[in-house]
Amino acid sequence: AQSVTQLGSHVSVSEGALVLLRCNYSSSVPPYLFWYVQYPNQGLQLLLKYTTGATLVKGINGFEAEFKKSETSFHLTKPSAHMSDAAEYFCAVSSNSGGSNYKLTFGKGTLLTVNP
Amino acid sequence: NAGVTQTPKFRVLKTGQSMTLLCAQDMNHEYMYWYRQDPGMGLRLIHYSVGEGTTAKGEVPDGYNVSRLKKQNFLLGLESAAPSQTSVYFCASSTLREQYFGPGTRLTVT
Repeated sequence: AQSVTQLGSHVSVSEGALVLLRCNYSSSVPPYLFWYVQYPNQGLQLLLKYTTGATLVKGINGFEAEFKKSETSFHLTKPSAHMSDAAEYFCAVSSNSGGSNYKLTFGKGTLLTVNP
Repeated sequence: NAGVTQTPKFRVLKTGQSMTLLCAQDMNHEYMYWYRQDPGMGLRLIHYSVGEGTTAKGEVPDGYNVSRLKKQNFLLGLESAAPSQTSVYFCASSTLREQYFGPGTRLTVT
């Protein structure tokens, strides 16, 4: 069974500061990993994804994440936070094999607050 | 392309009432999903479908039924609503891995 742990249900940063949102996963097979963002009263939007190949993945709005197999992590970063980054962020994992590779398992989410 | 649309956006039900939530996608995706989102719980999969005419149970299926009579539509039904079903419901569709989400339906059961 797959699982996702997001460390910190709420992260607060100042505008211009580094954003680091943590995600650890467990999977018995090589995973596909995703970060989604949810703005208030909206659905989820894909930020970035790791499937195979390069372990540093760049996404929209200046975000990036690095897949570290040895640490089973897929942390999301952005060098300089903007007020518009305030949202809830979800990490998700899907299986890379077998009959369930179309299903995602989500973490509980991290709410990012950006202070002026 | 409208992507994934959900109807209605808001609904208030009394305990015991029934309703159907409609999800439609115009991307010709095979896979469709219904999730519920509750504070601090992330998204939990209720039911999903791997193609027209197929449905399967997810993580929290009790109290819900679904149907996929047409490839583009995925219906979620509540036969007898309970206060525990107060939640925000999201529909998603996908080809194989990347899921596209609708805007959500906020349901309150009193």
